[in-house]
Amino acid sequence: AQKVTQAQTEISVVEKEDVTLDCVYETRDTTYYLFWYKQPPSGELVFLIRRNSFDEQNEISGRYSWNFQKSTSSFNFTITASQVVDSAVYFCALSDGDLSGGSYIPTFGRGTSLIVHP
Amino acid sequence: EAGVTQFPSHSVIEKGQTVTLRCDPISGHDNLYWYRRVMGKEIKFLLHFVKESKQDESGMPNNRFLAERTGGTYSTLKVQPAELEDSGVYFCASSHAAGLGLVEASEQYFGPGTRLTVT
Repeated sequence: AQKVTQAQTEISVVEKEDVTLDCVYETRDTTYYLFWYKQPPSGELVFLIRRNSFDEQNEISGRYSWNFQKSTSSFNFTITASQVVDSAVYFCALSDGDLSGGSYIPTFGRGTSLIVHP
Repeated sequence: EAGVTQFPSHSVIEKGQTVTLRCDPISGHDNLYWYRRVMGKEIKFLLHFVKESKQDESGMPNNRFLAERTGGTYSTLKVQPAELEDSGVYFCASSHAAGLGLVEASEQYFGPGTRLTVT
């Protein structure tokens, strides 16, 4: 069975601070994908990143970076120099199997609410 | 390209009433998914359409929930009769056709959700 744990329910930081959102997952499959989504106040889930289980390279995109460690089953997300616009709920998700088949059903964590104060 | 749209954005109904939620996927997307998030909990899968066919409805809570996708375009999710525990945010997502052999083609695009409150 798949499981995604986001232990941090809410994080509050002041602008320009760095913040890391934790994600720990469980799966028995060797092929799987991990995702992060952002849910801003407008409500829609915005895709941020997808990482497959065979690619442990960390990724950086602007102020965002992701640290994938299979040894600890973690896929943590760091925002550097946070801004007020980063305030949102962030969801980590996991999907087993090969996505090239055309569809997948992700298992989501409970989400972490990030509040960035000016 | 227009994104996934959902209507209404909010709905407040009394226990026992009926509510119908609508989702318009991105044009040309064959896959349509419904999810629900109860306050503070995980986003949970409800069901998956491929065109007008239900591919997987294993996440539907009970027979008070009925989803349809006539003609393979928009989808509706009806809750009848609504119960208090049905309150939550209902998300819809869509993705391209299956069988393209590309991981990117399976990417799900989410709508803004419908917040349902049952009192």
